[in-house]
Amino acid sequence: AQTVTQSQPEMSVQEAETVTLSCTYDTSESDYYLFWYKQPPSRQMILVIRQEAYKQQNATENRFSVNFQKAAKSFSLKISDSQLGDAAMYFCAYRSAVSSGSRLTFGEGTQLTVNP
Amino acid sequence: IAGITQAPTSQILAAGRRMTLRCTQDMRHNAMYWYRQDLGLGLRLIHYSNTAGTTGKGEVPDGYSVSRANTDDFPLTLASAVPSQTSVYFCASRREGMNTEAFFGQGTRLTVV
Repeated sequence: AQTVTQSQPEMSVQEAETVTLSCTYDTSESDYYLFWYKQPPSRQMILVIRQEAYKQQNATENRFSVNFQKAAKSFSLKISDSQLGDAAMYFCAYRSAVSSGSRLTFGEGTQLTVNP
Repeated sequence: IAGITQAPTSQILAAGRRMTLRCTQDMRHNAMYWYRQDLGLGLRLIHYSNTAGTTGKGEVPDGYSVSRANTDDFPLTLASAVPSQTSVYFCASRREGMNTEAFFGQGTRLTVV
């Protein structure tokens, strides 16, 4: 079974600064997807960024980028120019690409605080 | 508005009572899921359904049951609620296929006292 680990329960960053959230995972599969979700106080789960394991290039979405290290099974999220609206719980998630019916496996979450 | 809807948004329930959390999607997604979210544990899969008429157990299925009579609805039932089932419950759905995104409902906060 796959597992996802987020070792930072809480992180904080100053507004306009850069912060990196860590995520590691364990799998024996070679083809899979990785995701970062944002959960603001509204509780809504918002997809921030996704990475296909077969792509070597790191995914980027505006101020959000990832550092995908497949051999190390590491998938960190970098938030540049942090904004107050980035404050939220962030979840790393894994989904197998072996089966179309595969499910998301989540990490424990990292609570990000943005200080003005 | 297309999307996935959960009801109720919050509920306080006496231990031992039966409760059904409702989930409806209008996106015609084949797959649907129920997760529970607990602090320090993230979201854990309770049950899932890859298509109407089929269901499967996730990571933490004990004390919960589901049904999938049609594509749109995926109710989660607690037969006899216990305090350890106090949690936030999320329903999600996903269109069949490898490269598709999961959509989440707004969650149900359930407190069992």
